[in-house]
Amino acid sequence: EIVMTQSPVTLSVSPGERVTLSCRASQSVSRNLAWYQQQPGQAPRLLIYAASTRATGTPARFSGSGSGTEFTLTISSLQSEDFAVYYCQHYDNWPYAFGQGTKLEIK
Amino acid sequence: QVHLVQSGGEVKMPGASVKVSCKASGYRFTSYGISWVRQAPGQGLEWMGWISVYNGNTKYAQKVQGRITMTSDTSTSTAYMELRSLRSDDTAVYYCARDETGPYYFDYWGQGTLVTVSS
Repeated sequence: EIVMTQSPVTLSVSPGERVTLSCRASQSVSRNLAWYQQQPGQAPRLLIYAASTRATGTPARFSGSGSGTEFTLTISSLQSEDFAVYYCQHYDNWPYAFGQGTKLEIK
Repeated sequence: QVHLVQSGGEVKMPGASVKVSCKASGYRFTSYGISWVRQAPGQGLEWMGWISVYNGNTKYAQKVQGRITMTSDTSTSTAYMELRSLRSDDTAVYYCARDETGPYYFDYWGQGTLVTVSS
């Protein structure tokens, strides 16, 4: 089974800052990697798929990159609504796996 | 527009079973799969399994294999997840999510169903 590891677990940042979240897979998942945003009390929302393709409705300040085992999600200028938990997920094959999440906190 | 609407919260005794439903609308139900994902209180997301609505094929996470059954009813565009022999660590919000007929990402999610296992 592929294990997904995200870093850092928590990140304290100020609005307007640029932030980069990392996700590592224990073996290659090619570009079969998605990013989700979860606000408190809500279902996750798809942000990025195929490592770098923005889902419908995802603002342009979100960008994804990487392939194989190393991936990043970058938010170019943090808005108040971006403070949430972010999960990466591989879908290279079953079983799927999520990272443990990165929580963005207001500094 | 695509919607996945799940059944309401449940409280179950340890050892009991629970069956959660997920009614789909806004797309051709048989052209996609459904995955189920759960989230224990304060924890991350855990994939539980997938069903191909087209042919009923399933894939289950090893952790729940043997206790879980996923089914679908194409006449009502509804997917079901049944979990048996419930334990306290099965307490979680259970989500259904639209998947594909093969490994894919989750583009639409249900609102979640809280299942509480407690004596």
